[in-house]
Amino acid sequence: NAGVTQTPKFQVLKTGQSMTLQCAQDMNHNSMYWYRQDPGMGLRLIYYSASEGTTDKGEVPNGYNVSRLNKREFSLRLESAAPSQTSVYFCASSASTGKEGYTFGSGTRLTVV
Amino acid sequence: GESVGLHLPTLSVQEGDNSIINCAYSNSASDYFIWYKQESGKGPQFIIDIRSNMDKRQGQRVTVLLNKTVKHLSLQIAATQPGDSAVYFCAETSNSGYALNFGKGTSLLVTP
Repeated sequence: NAGVTQTPKFQVLKTGQSMTLQCAQDMNHNSMYWYRQDPGMGLRLIYYSASEGTTDKGEVPNGYNVSRLNKREFSLRLESAAPSQTSVYFCASSASTGKEGYTFGSGTRLTVV
Repeated sequence: GESVGLHLPTLSVQEGDNSIINCAYSNSASDYFIWYKQESGKGPQFIIDIRSNMDKRQGQRVTVLLNKTVKHLSLQIAATQPGDSAVYFCAETSNSGYALNFGKGTSLLVTP
């Protein structure tokens, strides 16, 4: 009964490097989301996928790309990491809309130096 | 743009007291609100939700109150325990109807 699983839990990147954050859910949820959390800023939506095969931009999409690989998996890619992308990244899923509430993963702490 | 905000960034209460965490929202079209609890090093966890056709909803030791007239949301925790120490976020549905917009959070510290 894993819920939402994120990998890796921690990562340090050099400026300009690329990486992909992985997220998988086992609850048969249709919708998935990526948020970033910065001190004093709360959670800000990067991208979301309302259903398999669709993705949409959120509040802060610049510098990121996403892929809804299948119903279970939703990945976030940083093509050229910047120090401003140092943050804690959370993946979440919901049955359909956010009105059912989200289930969050435990987060990925990313540091870009 | 419209946003969800919180009145108090930190709240310190004694064990056994009741806690009240407040949240102001500005999107009058929001029809669904949620409170989340986030413990250190963990992802947010669902506490309780409320739809805009309700004024009050109760859970186990928690109550959410919604005042649509002044666009205010509050979370009441009865008999606060040390395990309640965490950051609490309110959230509302975004214009997309899918994603949630989160407030900046209130840190609740329960002292013995």
